[in-house]
Amino acid sequence: DTGVSQDPRHKITKRGQNVTFRCDPISEHNRLYWYRQTLGQGPEFLTYFQNEAQLEKSRLLSDRFSAERPKGSFSTLEIQRTEQGDSAMYLCASSSSGGAIDTQYFGPGTRLTVL
Amino acid sequence: AQSVTQLDSQVPVFEEAPVELRCNYSSSVSVYLFWYVQYPNQGLQLLLKYLSGSTLVKGINGFEAEFNKSQTSFHLRKPSVHISDTAEYFCAVTPNYQLIWGAGTKLIIKP
Repeated sequence: DTGVSQDPRHKITKRGQNVTFRCDPISEHNRLYWYRQTLGQGPEFLTYFQNEAQLEKSRLLSDRFSAERPKGSFSTLEIQRTEQGDSAMYLCASSSSGGAIDTQYFGPGTRLTVL
Repeated sequence: AQSVTQLDSQVPVFEEAPVELRCNYSSSVSVYLFWYVQYPNQGLQLLLKYLSGSTLVKGINGFEAEFNKSQTSFHLRKPSVHISDTAEYFCAVTPNYQLIWGAGTKLIIKP
């Protein structure tokens, strides 16, 4: 099964440190999404790529956050100078364009804890 | 802008009893509707989706949902739940690709 994978699954860091997460989408999917989920809430959209182009960024994505998808395959999400408020589950999803609407397939998430 | 309200944060139900998880949405444009399930320590998995056509949508694991445009609702139902249905259920809507999510409903199955 080649579903969406995310690495690491858990990350504990100290406030002020930089962290980077990786997402590997389903291989034939050209669209990739990042969401953030805090405890007791549904996911919130962060950003969206079609192939290597970042087509939309949420206002939630401050300038400390940057995402890339250099060759239109895997993606990285970097958070600089982490804050305690960044503690959350970071979810990646992928989909294949075509038809009225895509179905997004989710990875298991990376849980970030900022101490 | 769109918003999604899941009216119950938790729903306890006895095993083999029916269940309904409620979802209401607000949108000024047409949207597509989804239910996802998140089992403990696992990622989000699509249960079912409504794109167009019949308002009654059947999904995996015996779940179904009915789209009601006049009431802007998309409630999820199952006629008989099992212990394996213990999970958190999320309703989501989108006009394009950006999913807008409810806060989730935890389904608690009582033996």
